[in-house]
Amino acid sequence: QVQLVQSGAEVKRPGASVKVSCKASGNTFANYDINWVRQATGQGLEWMGGMNFNSGNTVHAQKFQGRVTMTRDTSRSTAYMELSSLTSEDAAVYYCARVMDKWPSFDYWGQGTLVTVSS
Amino acid sequence: QSALTQPPSASGSPGQSATISCTGTSSDVGGYKYVSWYQQHPGKAPKFIIYEVNKRPSGVPDRFSGSKSGNTAFLTVSGLQAEDEADYYCSSYSGSNNPVIFGGGTKLTVL
Repeated sequence: QVQLVQSGAEVKRPGASVKVSCKASGNTFANYDINWVRQATGQGLEWMGGMNFNSGNTVHAQKFQGRVTMTRDTSRSTAYMELSSLTSEDAAVYYCARVMDKWPSFDYWGQGTLVTVSS
Repeated sequence: QSALTQPPSASGSPGQSATISCTGTSSDVGGYKYVSWYQQHPGKAPKFIIYEVNKRPSGVPDRFSGSKSGNTAFLTVSGLQAEDEADYYCSSYSGSNNPVIFGGGTKLTVL
């Protein structure tokens, strides 16, 4: 049984960066793409980008150009998403999700990480 | 790129059916067979219920079905049950530059 376990809630100041982790248990990320999706309170889902866990190649939504960095630690079966220059509009729950074969089929999701941006 | 268009709400009585639409363009929904649907209960992560327009992942009841006509995809929930009350999101592949786009979500109420 695949489980994606994310890091805990974060509180950040405007202008700071946040790094969220996503660890696979029950299976590894090998041969899969891991994507990141966020959801502001009371709002819909927003795709941020994704990474092939084997190659480390990434693709991201144009909206996050220059602000989002996706990395991985293959030895720990863990993917990371770092978002910089935070504003109040970045306050959201951030989810990692595994891609089943092709976009936009996200078959397993992490539990979500709440990021609060407050001065 | 704008989100896919979903109605904010839908409803149906227990045992009846409800259908949710998801309208895009020829650059996303209309151009590819890659449309997925997700169910989300309050405070929970989304759950994968339909992929490639009309395929169900293992374990998803056959009460959930998907279809597409032109630039609009549809999710139909038959034999509505109380636990089907949730938010539903569609998603489509939209090309290599910005590959994934979501709909704004539809709140399904079981009356």
